Amino acid sequence: DQQVKQNSPSLSVQEGRISILNCDYTNSMFDYFLWYKKYPAEGPTFLISISSIKDKNEDGRFTVFLNKSAKHLSLHIVPSQPGDSAVYFCAATYGNNRLAFGKGNQVVVIP
Amino acid sequence: NAGVMQNPRHLVRRRGQEARLRCSPMKGHSHVYWYRQLPEEGLKFMVYLQKENIIDESGMPKERFSAEFPKEGPSILRIQQVVRGDSAAYFCASSPRQSNQPQHFGDGTRLSIL
Repeated sequence: DQQVKQNSPSLSVQEGRISILNCDYTNSMFDYFLWYKKYPAEGPTFLISISSIKDKNEDGRFTVFLNKSAKHLSLHIVPSQPGDSAVYFCAATYGNNRLAFGKGNQVVVIP
Repeated sequence: NAGVMQNPRHLVRRRGQEARLRCSPMKGHSHVYWYRQLPEEGLKFMVYLQKENIIDESGMPKERFSAEFPKEGPSILRIQQVVRGDSAAYFCASSPRQSNQPQHFGDGTRLSIL
């Protein structure tokens, strides 16, 4: 039962341009959403999160948007840098902090 | 490095042997979570523990898998009588408390079953 879905498995973007990653969820109980970045042979690194009471959270080059009515969130990275090349995971949770992950999006930033 | 520490990084076992994976949470964190990642998949929740207590083990297979987080020492994920399908990356995460705080992950243990 895939409660968190990330379509478009890979994304290529030119350095300096915007990267937009999308995520859809099915469980209306989710109240906290996170994005993680993962390099090969490393663990996921926390990037940014958003509570369900907000619709936007910004941290430097990273902005997360939440549309609760559509059960959709997105991550914007601007400007994209070569070091941003990684797999990005969307995750969601409610109550007990058990995270449900999407399958991830591979982002390649072309110098 | 005060991050989540997992060892070993790589573990090779033959079918039928036991695998023990260790996780030391970040300093000050009392909540530990284990996840498993199969190839081309996202991470799947397995178990959530606090010191000496299993809070949620709904993601654990019913047989052969167990987890503990003793009062002293690291959290241990134990897999008995391993089979080929247990080959995966196992990640541990920790957080300071139960309410919405991001979980921080270790670099994982890659388990290979021969």
